[in-house]
Amino acid sequence: GAVVSQHPSRVICKSGTSVKIECRSLDFQATTMFWYRQFPKQSLMLMATSNEGSKATYEQGVEKDKFLINHASLTLSTLTVTSAHPEDSSFYICSARAGVSYEQYFGPGTRLTVT
Amino acid sequence: AQRVTQPEKLLSVFKGAPVELKCNYSYSGSPELFWYVQYSRQRLQLLLRHISRESIKGFTADLNKGETSFHLKKPFAQEEDSAMYYCAPRDNYGQNFVFGPGTRLSVLP
Repeated sequence: GAVVSQHPSRVICKSGTSVKIECRSLDFQATTMFWYRQFPKQSLMLMATSNEGSKATYEQGVEKDKFLINHASLTLSTLTVTSAHPEDSSFYICSARAGVSYEQYFGPGTRLTVT
Repeated sequence: AQRVTQPEKLLSVFKGAPVELKCNYSYSGSPELFWYVQYSRQRLQLLLRHISRESIKGFTADLNKGETSFHLKKPFAQEEDSAMYYCAPRDNYGQNFVFGPGTRLSVLP
């Protein structure tokens, strides 16, 4: 199946700093990428959907100025957590979809810890 | 509002026993229904979707529109089935998944 990678897999940052997480589709062109957040022992919550070359669509309650998403190419989307706070600590997962295919391929996730 | 419920957080069965993971949904329109699985230390992956009517790894799921359910079943559980299972409807308009809270299946030897 198609492969989606995320980098870094783990990151620790200090409160107030910004951190960028990359999501790459390695062997297919992802016209749409999704960013999810997963709290411990909870389900995935969709944060935003991004289509290549256009602005991301954020879910209700997700601050677009805090979670900046860029989908500049068909193989790369980035999520930047700006001015991170300890409550932003979570597991962030991206997924990618090619065209109108139903299937989303998930990345391995990035664990963010804000101290 | 779109809602997915998986009533069991944890389900433990013995190897060889039948297993059923329940999923009920409340959704406008006619969503597509999927099951995703996450094995220990692995990424989320698609298990099956209702349209394909496939049996993957011995699992099947029947969509019951009347009861708005999409329960996942397997007649004989194996230890390697131990994982986290998520029911996920997808609306045809936005094409976005809504993941249920998940059920952790533990198959005991």
